[in-house]
Amino acid sequence: KQEVTQIPAALSVPEGENLVLNCSFTDSAIYNLQWFRQDPGKGLTSLLLIQSSQREQTSGRLNASLDKSSGRSTLYIAASQPGDSATYLCAVAFSGGSNYKLTFGKGTLLTVNP
Amino acid sequence: NAGVTQTPKFRILKIGQSMTLQCTQDMNHNYMYWYRQDPGMGLKLIYYSVGAGITDKGEVPNGYNVSRSTTEDFPLRLELAAPSQTSVYFCASIGGWTTDTQYFGPGTRLTVL
Repeated sequence: KQEVTQIPAALSVPEGENLVLNCSFTDSAIYNLQWFRQDPGKGLTSLLLIQSSQREQTSGRLNASLDKSSGRSTLYIAASQPGDSATYLCAVAFSGGSNYKLTFGKGTLLTVNP
Repeated sequence: NAGVTQTPKFRILKIGQSMTLQCTQDMNHNYMYWYRQDPGMGLKLIYYSVGAGITDKGEVPNGYNVSRSTTEDFPLRLELAAPSQTSVYFCASIGGWTTDTQYFGPGTRLTVL
């Protein structure tokens, strides 16, 4: 079964700390992997998309890496701020057996304390 | 572009009532999706569509129906609402599902009492 797992489920850090969120997936045959942010009571907003042929993507203080062979992705947030507090979800477009559908992890709830 | 819009934002239903959740996107995306999100359970796919006139079931389709008569609209119908359908419902769309990011609407918070 194709699954996406995010550990930890929750993370609390002091402001200014660099942090890493983890995402693992069970099948290396993928089209792409996406990281989303969800604020309380809101929809999901795309942060970064990494195609299967890429190793990483960067946007501002965010850097996402992809290692297909080990089935892992990390989202690195530099110099965290209280405004980064949100739930971060990882989603994978598997290339076999999940046509047209993304498989989502359950997310990591990040709290950045002032 | 307004992106993906959903109406209503909130709704309370009584058991056995029916309603339609509206979803519209203005990005000319072929692929559209309905998810439900329950606390601690992540997103679960209800139905999806790969183009006008084509729909298919996701993980949790029971109690729901969809139609896709146009590229822009993908309404979700709840028949005979049950307390188990209390959830937050998200509509999403994507242009190319192997290459593009998925865009989400703001959600509809539904309570069935």
